[in-house]
Amino acid sequence: KAGVTQTPRYLIKTRGQQVTLSCSPISGHRSVSWYQQTPGQGLQFLFEYFSETQRNKGNFPGRFSGRQFSNSRSEMNVSTLELGDSALYLCASSWSGTGGEQYFGPGTRLTVT
Amino acid sequence: QKEVEQNSGPLSVPEGAIASLNCTYSDRGSQSFFWYRQYSGKSPELIMSIYSNGDKEDGRFTAQLNKASQYVSLLIRDSQPSDSATYLCAVLSGGSNYKLTFGKGTLLTVNP
Repeated sequence: KAGVTQTPRYLIKTRGQQVTLSCSPISGHRSVSWYQQTPGQGLQFLFEYFSETQRNKGNFPGRFSGRQFSNSRSEMNVSTLELGDSALYLCASSWSGTGGEQYFGPGTRLTVT
Repeated sequence: QKEVEQNSGPLSVPEGAIASLNCTYSDRGSQSFFWYRQYSGKSPELIMSIYSNGDKEDGRFTAQLNKASQYVSLLIRDSQPSDSATYLCAVLSGGSNYKLTFGKGTLLTVNP
């Protein structure tokens, strides 16, 4: 089975721009979660989707949004980028309807200049 | 604020020794617990999951859970230099929260 894939792998953007990141879960997995990882804060939960519905959202500003499509693929969008948004963005998928046993993709490294 | 706490390390052990990694959590309603391994520059990899009190063994890895003490640990027997990585403890909140909360990780170094 193919693993979780994320595109693009690396991205450089300028402050004020917006960015869209994509995630394709493991086949059959319907839950997709997004995380931001930085050296200082560790892995922080952004949001979780299951069957196209956002079931939970972390403590991030409204500039961070996401969606899930009927084929379980997910996208997250960050508008009006700030320098502090520079991070590794990780997507994880799970077969479990409760969100457990999550498998991570390789991540998208976003640099905001 | 539901938290997961880990010693940041670094934890340094000689090759062949037992490495012991610890984690405490604050949400008493948590039911599912996971250990992830993250090599430098890579994404986290799930290595163990545990759902009930006691020990769960998988090869050289043993996860231990004590819900009364809100404590979960990971033992790595016969540690190898390839085990050198950051180990992340993750806890799934109870109820219909669907949120996995991670500790900040413990850096393990296994010295040849």
